[in-house]
Amino acid sequence: GIQVEQSPPDLILQEGANSTLRCNFSDSVNNLQWFHQNPWGQLINLFYIPSGTKQNGRLSATTVATERYSLLYISSSQTTDSGVYFCAGGRRGSYIPTFGRGTSLIVHP
Amino acid sequence: EPEVTQTPSHQVTQMGQEVILRCVPISNHLYFYWYRQILGQKVEFLVSFYNNEISEKSEIFDDQFSVERPDGSNFTLKIRSTKLEDSAMYFCASTADEQFFGPGTRLTVL
Repeated sequence: GIQVEQSPPDLILQEGANSTLRCNFSDSVNNLQWFHQNPWGQLINLFYIPSGTKQNGRLSATTVATERYSLLYISSSQTTDSGVYFCAGGRRGSYIPTFGRGTSLIVHP
Repeated sequence: EPEVTQTPSHQVTQMGQEVILRCVPISNHLYFYWYRQILGQKVEFLVSFYNNEISEKSEIFDDQFSVERPDGSNFTLKIRSTKLEDSAMYFCASTADEQFFGPGTRLTVL
């Protein structure tokens, strides 16, 4: 199956800082998504981004499908951004996404 | 905005007991999924369901597990005889292209 590597595994920021999270895939993927798992365990959709760039407020994401990676940018981080960020993607022809191990983000006030 | 719902939010059971976790997917979605997440670990795929039958399942989804769509709205996961290692968060999801996850059911097996 597809291998999904996320980096960094852990990240600690001061409020207001910017950060970039990365997701590498071992093979071409479709249905690439980014999720935020909040402290209550809920998985919140951030982006559905098989390719290209999208922005939503302070967050943006870029997927370079030909290079098999995706980046999530968080600007002006806030304490409410804390949690675990997962990327997930499925192999072509499949609707089954494989999740990475996540990046655990802590934003201090 | 339509959303996936799950009940109960938390289930505590004794080892060996049967549990049924319930999900209501988004109404116009055709693919449904169950995932689990053991505390502190990544989200793992269990099973996908399309056109009233299982389309894919993982190695985790053994004979202790079953899924059903008993009516036009509900989608259930049954664990026949729970084990301690079944303790996890169980997520239901549905998709058109983008997957939408429910809030999860935290299962604790004592």
